[in-house]
Amino acid sequence: GDSVTQMEGPVTLSEEAFLTINCTYTATGYPSLFWYVQYPGEGLQLLLKATKADDKGSNKGFEATYRKETTSFHLEKGSVQVSDSAVYFCALSPGGTSYGKLTFGQGTILTVHP
Amino acid sequence: DAGVIQSPRHEVTEMGQEVTLRCKPISGHNSLFWYRQTMMRGLELLIYFNNNVPIDDSGMPEDRFSAKMPNASFSTLKIQPSEPRDSAVYFCASTERQSSYEQYFGPGTRLTVT
Repeated sequence: GDSVTQMEGPVTLSEEAFLTINCTYTATGYPSLFWYVQYPGEGLQLLLKATKADDKGSNKGFEATYRKETTSFHLEKGSVQVSDSAVYFCALSPGGTSYGKLTFGQGTILTVHP
Repeated sequence: DAGVIQSPRHEVTEMGQEVTLRCKPISGHNSLFWYRQTMMRGLELLIYFNNNVPIDDSGMPEDRFSAKMPNASFSTLKIQPSEPRDSAVYFCASTERQSSYEQYFGPGTRLTVT
């Protein structure tokens, strides 16, 4: 079945550092890929998405590129802020008649210090 | 729009008691998802509905758990009898249409079973 694997956390960075959170997936067909973010005490919210190979999703300074050859969708940000401290989830949707069902990775906790 | 609404936000109950969690999806959304989040198991999909019909309940842990969606604007997740291992944050999410990729999450219900 479909699966998503994220790098183990937690990740701790200083403000303005470069961020990479690795994500790889296993799926049949051509899934769509997502990054969701969960701030403390809140539900998940969509951060960015890419629906086909070589697409780049971007939002709030975060970027991720859909790499079919390496089945990866790594999240990057050039300069993190304290406000980026949150849990980040990589996810995929097989599309078709999946009714919007998502398969999530285990989540990566990011803490940014001033 | 008010977003996905969940109630209660916090629930503390004793082992053996019945617990009912409630969700109101965003108006016009026709798919609804129930998740459970714990430190040990991460984010788990319990069940999801499309047009009020349960599509996949394979994630429901056991017969003590049941979910209903009597109409497009309301869903419940019931645990009877509750056990301490059911302690978790329960999220409800909805999507706009069958092929939509973005799930909108509610704020969650934190359940503690003592």
